[in-house]
Amino acid sequence: DAKTTQPNSMESNEEEPVHLPCNHSTISGTDYIHWYRQLPSQGPEYVIHGLTSNVNNRMASLAIAEDRKSSTLILHRATLRDAAVYYCIKRSNYKLTFGKGTLLTVNP
Amino acid sequence: NAGVTQTPKFQVLKTGQSMTLQCAQDMNHEYMSWYRQDPGMGLRLIHYSVGAGITDQGEVPNGYNVSRSTTEDFPLRLLSAAPSQTSVYFCASSPTGGNYNEQFFGPGTRLTVL
Repeated sequence: DAKTTQPNSMESNEEEPVHLPCNHSTISGTDYIHWYRQLPSQGPEYVIHGLTSNVNNRMASLAIAEDRKSSTLILHRATLRDAAVYYCIKRSNYKLTFGKGTLLTVNP
Repeated sequence: NAGVTQTPKFQVLKTGQSMTLQCAQDMNHEYMSWYRQDPGMGLRLIHYSVGAGITDQGEVPNGYNVSRSTTEDFPLRLLSAAPSQTSVYFCASSPTGGNYNEQFFGPGTRLTVL
């Protein structure tokens, strides 16, 4: 079960938008793309998920490529509290398969 | 709702000892799972369950046992602890019915095996 591919780290300034990319070239038609984040010393926290269409919620937006082989998590205005490891995950047969994620640093 | 709770928060064991990590959820979720997270790594699935009486192995099941006698509880047993099992353990739950459901994670148990 192939995992997704994300940059190891990214940096942003406070109150600026952040675009976190993810490649998932082996995704199948029924796999959902989920994003979770993990703050230091805490369990992962759900952010957003999608199948084919772009999705918005109170935390973020998810843009999914037309061929579904990549997606981008968009934080519209980063805050210091958004500093975390962000995981892009294919959910298949209920299971989440985590990679190493992207460590997002937010500068004041 | 308390969500997903885990006990203990911290535990130190000696090699060869056995213990049970507790996980409970009060959201009536059918799906529950256990993950371990080693330093600098993502989470890896140990075991999971899609309902009471049903369990299955994940990516790294060796050295761990689970059972699911009720919807609420999903304990993880270490049979004979080894230093390689030093890790942070997370329990998670979600409704079944599709891959679109979010998982809710507990706060974790930090285990050290000497």
